[in-house]
Amino acid sequence: GQQLNQSPQSMFIQEGEDVSMNCTSSSIFNTWLWYKQEPGEGPVLLIALYKAGELTSNGRLTAQFGITRKDSFLNISASIPSDVGIYFCAGQRGGSNYKLTFGKGTLLTVNP
Amino acid sequence: DARVTQTPRDKVTEMGQEVTMRCQPILGHNTVFWYRQTMMQGLELLAYFRNRAPLDDSGMPKDRFSAEMPDATLATLKIQPSEPRDSAVYFCASGLVPTPGGTEAFFGQGTRLTVV
Repeated sequence: GQQLNQSPQSMFIQEGEDVSMNCTSSSIFNTWLWYKQEPGEGPVLLIALYKAGELTSNGRLTAQFGITRKDSFLNISASIPSDVGIYFCAGQRGGSNYKLTFGKGTLLTVNP
Repeated sequence: DARVTQTPRDKVTEMGQEVTMRCQPILGHNTVFWYRQTMMQGLELLAYFRNRAPLDDSGMPKDRFSAEMPDATLATLKIQPSEPRDSAVYFCASGLVPTPGGTEAFFGQGTRLTVV
């Protein structure tokens, strides 16, 4: 089946640093989504990407849809302690296939 | 404040018992997903529905799991009989398709199931 490789698995950073994480796939996706999950909660949608090459921002978060449609990147600028959580990428083939495939997540720890 | 509502939040049950988890999707959404989350496997898709019809349940063990949408405001996931390996957090998510891009799926808070 489809696999999404998300890296890094975990990151330990200092407050104020920038963060980058990415997701790659062996298959093409027509939609990429980025989620954040905090303990005891469900994943919360951060950014949705619909076109190859698209760059979209949400506050300090910026995500890009790779040109090949097989990868996506999420950047967080000037991290703060409340950025702590697990970040997931998810891909969707599109057409009549609405199935979302998730990466294994990146655990982000921010030291104040 | 539109949100996906899941009940119960926590469930502890004995092996062999039937478990039913419920989900109320966001009003107006026509697509419902059931995911299972474990440390080892991450988020796995069990099944999803569009307009209450099952589109894909290939991720679900058919011998003990069943998913239904009795109406547009209720989705259920049932496990009978439950086993310790079913212990996980089960998430329901809903979305609206078709949209110009794809589907933005919104998650509930999950049901944490422990089978002892």
